[in-house]
Amino acid sequence: DAGVIQSPRHEVTEMGQEVTLRCKPISGHDYLFWYRQTMMRGLELLIYFNNNVPIDDSGMPEDRFSAKMPNASFSTLKIQPSEPRDSAVYFCASSFRTGSNQPQHFGDGTRLSIL
Amino acid sequence: AQSVAQPEDQVNVAEGNPLTVKCTYSVSGNPYLFWYVQYPNRGLQFLLKYITGDNLVKGSYGFEAEFNKSQTSFHLKKPSALVSDSALYFCAVRESSYKLIFGSGTRLLVRP
Repeated sequence: DAGVIQSPRHEVTEMGQEVTLRCKPISGHDYLFWYRQTMMRGLELLIYFNNNVPIDDSGMPEDRFSAKMPNASFSTLKIQPSEPRDSAVYFCASSFRTGSNQPQHFGDGTRLSIL
Repeated sequence: AQSVAQPEDQVNVAEGNPLTVKCTYSVSGNPYLFWYVQYPNRGLQFLLKYITGDNLVKGSYGFEAEFNKSQTSFHLKKPSALVSDSALYFCAVRESSYKLIFGSGTRLLVRP
């Protein structure tokens, strides 16, 4: 079965550029989560969606970050403009009916480097 | 607020020996606890969870975890470690119906 698919796997760009990360959740999953992983801060939840609707974006660091989920099979995380401190590994995860304590399934992440 | 602590940055064990990766938690109400593993350049993979019931929870790849309410701990264990178990392990607690709070992670190194 296909898992959570993220693209690109690696992204290197210069500061000030727009960055778009993409995620395809597992089919049938109704929750989607975006995380950021850094050595300093560990794993942080940025935002999550339920049935394509953003539920909690309190983890989004600032207005430069935005996320959308136009349909059940696609989500984007956008950074504009990007800064070196945004360098991190960004993970997307999905789950089915999280309220019933189903586990989250993670993609393999996008390693983002802002020069 | 819910939280988890993983007191060890790294655990070293010889192949074939038992391993324990420690996790303590702080919650209000019933704890919902999880263990995930992360291999290099990969996302987190679910290992096991405790919701209610037996204090010994069995999971993937021969791992198990022991829930101890009095000590507020949820330690991950395996009777016989493999070199391939070397990875980063995360304990997590559910903060609400939807959010997981992850520990800082423990690197497990199994030497041949």
